[in-house]
Amino acid sequence: EIVMTLSPATLSVSPGERATLSCRASQSVSSNLAWYQQRPGQAPRLLLYGASTRATGIPARFSGSGSGTEFTLTISSLQSEDSAIYFCHQYHDWPPRATFGQGTKLEIK
Amino acid sequence: EVQLVESGGVVVQPGGSLRLSCAASGFAFNDYTMHWVRQASGKALEWVSLITWDGASTFYADSVKGRFTISRDNSKNSLSVQMNSLRSEDTALYYCVGERNRIFQYWGQGTLVTVSS
Repeated sequence: EIVMTLSPATLSVSPGERATLSCRASQSVSSNLAWYQQRPGQAPRLLLYGASTRATGIPARFSGSGSGTEFTLTISSLQSEDSAIYFCHQYHDWPPRATFGQGTKLEIK
Repeated sequence: EVQLVESGGVVVQPGGSLRLSCAASGFAFNDYTMHWVRQASGKALEWVSLITWDGASTFYADSVKGRFTISRDNSKNSLSVQMNSLRSEDTALYYCVGERNRIFQYWGQGTLVTVSS
């Protein structure tokens, strides 16, 4: 089972600044990684897939990078609406057996 | 507009049974593998089960294997899961998810299942 670890657990950043979230896989998942945003009380929303491709309707200030075991989600020019939990999901393993990991809680100061 | 609307979540006693449903609209349901993903309060998301676009193949998490049965009706754009022998650890918000190319694209708002005496 591939274990996904996100860091930090909590991140507090001021509006207009940049947030950098990290996701590490316990073994290589190539570029088979997606990022999701979950705002309080809402369903998860797909942000990025293929490690760096934005989903439909996702603004350009969300960007992703990495491959293998190390991945990064960068959110530039933070806005209050970006306050949410972010988590990564590897789809290298199929059918999916692993959980999504605890996620990173992003707070906008 | 894509919509996935789950229903059927209630309070049920341990050992009881429940059937959750999901009504899909706004996308080509027939082309998507469908999943159930759950989230216990304050916990991480947990994949539960999937069914391929044609219903020919199903897979389950070890935690629910033998107790849950996923099904779909493409003529009605609907997804279901029959949940038997429910346990307290099955208490969670259950999401219906549409997946294509292994990417979980579309999510419903979830339906809450509480297993408690």
